[in-house]
Amino acid sequence: AQSVTQLGSHVSVSEGALVLLRCNYSSSVPPYLFWYVQYPNQGLQLLLKYTTGATLVKGINGFEAEFKKSETSFHLTKPSAHMSDAAEYFCAVSLRGNRDDKIIFGKGTRLHILP
Amino acid sequence: DTGVSQDPRHKITKRGQNVTFRCDPISEHNRLYWYRQTLGQGPEFLTYFQNEAQLEKSRLLSDRFSAERPKGSFSTLEIQRTEQGDSAMYLCASSLGLGTTNEKLFFGSGTQLSVL
Repeated sequence: AQSVTQLGSHVSVSEGALVLLRCNYSSSVPPYLFWYVQYPNQGLQLLLKYTTGATLVKGINGFEAEFKKSETSFHLTKPSAHMSDAAEYFCAVSLRGNRDDKIIFGKGTRLHILP
Repeated sequence: DTGVSQDPRHKITKRGQNVTFRCDPISEHNRLYWYRQTLGQGPEFLTYFQNEAQLEKSRLLSDRFSAERPKGSFSTLEIQRTEQGDSAMYLCASSLGLGTTNEKLFFGSGTQLSVL
């Protein structure tokens, strides 16, 4: 079965610094990969997703993620953190080619932005 | 706004009571998911529907949990004989359900259940 592991339940970065949130996946076939964000008191929303094609995926709010098959990773980055980026971020996976597959989420990483 | 709506937003119940939650997905969405989220954890898959068909139910889910989507529109999640361990945020999400698993999920705000 597919799964994702997010390294670090809490990450703190200074405003203006690089944001790096780590996600590794486990899947028998190359999966679809997603990052969702949950801002305080709001529902989850999609940041970006990898389906096929270019392995560097750009999302909303300046975030991007790179699919690396050799490392089974899909880390999320942003060059310069902003205070408004403080939120919880979830990596998720679903199986490619199985139309009835579900989407499985990681445990999440809470991003703290230091002034 | 025609987003995913969940009702109620909060539910407090005594242990042993039954509770039912409702989810209204975005109108043209064929796929509907239920997840459970506890503090500090990611959404845990419970079950999902393609139209009115329930495709899968998590093996972690006890028989006390049941979900329906009778006409392929709204869905209900019932928990019988609630236990304190059932306390969590119950999330509903929907997607177009056009036959691929890379679709964007649209989440509701959730129902927070507290079992006393």
